[in-house]
Amino acid sequence: AQSVAQPEDQVNVAEGNPLTVKCTYSVSGNPYLFWYVQYPNRGLQFLLKYITGDNLVKGSYGFEAEFNKSQTSFHLKKPSALVSDSALYFCAVRAPGNNDMRFGAGTRLTVKP
Amino acid sequence: DGGITQSPKYLFRKEGQNVTLSCEQNLNHDAMYWYRQDPGQGLRLIYYSQIVNDFQKGDIAEGYSVSREKKESFPLTVTSAQKNPTAFYLCASSIGDRGQPQHFGDGTRLSIL
Repeated sequence: AQSVAQPEDQVNVAEGNPLTVKCTYSVSGNPYLFWYVQYPNRGLQFLLKYITGDNLVKGSYGFEAEFNKSQTSFHLKKPSALVSDSALYFCAVRAPGNNDMRFGAGTRLTVKP
Repeated sequence: DGGITQSPKYLFRKEGQNVTLSCEQNLNHDAMYWYRQDPGQGLRLIYYSQIVNDFQKGDIAEGYSVSREKKESFPLTVTSAQKNPTAFYLCASSIGDRGQPQHFGDGTRLSIL
């Protein structure tokens, strides 16, 4: 079975500070990992993914994520947060051979001016 | 522009009534998905389809039905058997490669009158 956990319901950071949104996963085999962002009353937008290769993945809007196999984590990061980054962030995992994707419960990021 | 269109944006259901949510994509994607989003629970998979005229149940298929008669269309019917249908419904699509992200529509919010 595949699953993903986002241990923080809410993350608050000040504008200009670095941000981290945490994600851990459980899957048999090598995972496919994804981060999405959701703005109010909208669908999810894809930010970045890890399939294989370099553990540091760069994505849209200055976001990046680090794959750590030993800790089964895939934390989302950004060096300098913007107020416009405030949104709901979802981590997702898919096991090779599986047709469906599992999403975490989401983390609400609030960036204060 | 290519994308996924969900309609209507808001929908109201009376007791004992079936309602159908529309999802159309012009991305030429083979796979399509329906998710239900409730506050604090992330996304839960209702149904998915990898190819025309074929679909599989997800984790919470009871009370829902789908069809996939055309590659571009994957409508979801919320039947009267679904006792708690109030939620935000999201449709997504992806190409066949499991390492590729899903693309989402902007959702339909269903409420009970």
